[in-house]
Amino acid sequence: QSALTQPASVSGSPGQSITISCTGTSSDVGAFNYVSWYQQHPGKAPKFIIFDVTNRPSGVSSRFSGSKSGNTAFLTISGLQAEDEADYYCSSYTRRDTEVFGGGTRVNVL
Amino acid sequence: VQLVESGGGLVKPGGSLRLSCATSGLRFDIQWMTWVRQAPGKGLEWLAFISGAGDHTMYADSVTGRFIISRDSAHQSVSLQLNSLRVEDTATYYCTTLHYHAFNFWGQGTLVTVSS
Repeated sequence: QSALTQPASVSGSPGQSITISCTGTSSDVGAFNYVSWYQQHPGKAPKFIIFDVTNRPSGVSSRFSGSKSGNTAFLTISGLQAEDEADYYCSSYTRRDTEVFGGGTRVNVL
Repeated sequence: VQLVESGGGLVKPGGSLRLSCATSGLRFDIQWMTWVRQAPGKGLEWLAFISGAGDHTMYADSVTGRFIISRDSAHQSVSLQLNSLRVEDTATYYCTTLHYHAFNFWGQGTLVTVSS
């Protein structure tokens, strides 16, 4: 069960848009539309921000959006704000009937 | 929805520990539950899930044969029995709900430290 591959860090200035990739295989990300994204601030529990590739839970800002192409999923944060500085993780269901997370991406707001 | 983990602490390598997660505000009898951990300074690692009825469980390769997930409907709680603990099992352990393969609600976590 290898972790999904995410860039270690992504940076952007306030107001810009950034995109985080999450690369898996045809056995996980590419096989199902069960990709989710989580935001984690230091010392806090993760918060669920995207499910089923593109859907936002109630209360999550519309600045967060998700997409997928083949074996890679993407999280885009538009209108970057200081409060968006955090770690972001993707997850996917797999053909083995297990779940797997990405390694995480630190978003820096310059 | 509230999830409150307990049972963490310091344990020697080879030892055992039982983590519990008290739940409220959800339909416990149909809610799938999971455990996820995070080693200090590291990323999230899914460990196990259990179906609402308790009749289907799955584990990550890293803990298969050592950890056991279970649920108690009477107390609306879920547990994780940790056996044959290793130094590399040191982490914060989170209880979460699982809704169509999304980890939608999280507890605050309980810290397990494995050290001699």
